[in-house]
Amino acid sequence: AQKVTQAQTEISVVEKEDVTLDCVYETRDTTYYLFWYKQPPSGELVFLIRRNSFDEQNEISGRYSWNFQKSTSSFNFTITASQVVDSAVYFCALSEAADSWGKLQFGAGTQVVVTP
Amino acid sequence: DTEVTQTPKHLVMGMTNKKSLKCEQHMGHRAMYWYKQKAKKPPELMFVYSYEKLSINESVPSRFSPECPNSSLLNLHLHALQPEDSALYLCASSGLRQGASDEQFFGPGTRLTVL
Repeated sequence: AQKVTQAQTEISVVEKEDVTLDCVYETRDTTYYLFWYKQPPSGELVFLIRRNSFDEQNEISGRYSWNFQKSTSSFNFTITASQVVDSAVYFCALSEAADSWGKLQFGAGTQVVVTP
Repeated sequence: DTEVTQTPKHLVMGMTNKKSLKCEQHMGHRAMYWYKQKAKKPPELMFVYSYEKLSINESVPSRFSPECPNSSLLNLHLHALQPEDSALYLCASSGLRQGASDEQFFGPGTRLTVL
């Protein structure tokens, strides 16, 4: 069963617009970890953020911000004032502590297209 | 140094060839991973090595054979592949802590085409 759902397949915005990527997860573990990765056209997956289930503080890093809400099992990602370089596929992923080897379960990904 | 390197970047091989993909990391990570990614899909885990021992094999066909010669190196040996094995092969590494999941750092990948 799909444990991470990214319902948005593709989002197109014009530069300087904000864009929010949704991520809904499903787990029975009380300890788990959530991640966001960026995959530009070059192919390399770039780590953006890691959150554990006990830390519900929202986080901001430059133009990036993350909203973690356990009550709705969501971990959404917002890019503020988007730029062309933000064009990429973004993956949300879940790792459950019961899995000793840090196995990542990825969502389907959301393609973000930023046009000038 | 937070870099994972992979060679080659591109590989074209016939179905009867034998080739190897290489991955290297110098972050002192004790877990290393191979993923396969088809176009417009998320990465799929193939193998996990922890402390140089194979910990997970996600039911991968035997034509893919992983090897971990030491804590910094991970190889993927390819033999008698099929055209449907054409994909981006990604290597990753991470720290390994009991009951915790550290972030995985990925290499740039090897784009494999099987003719």
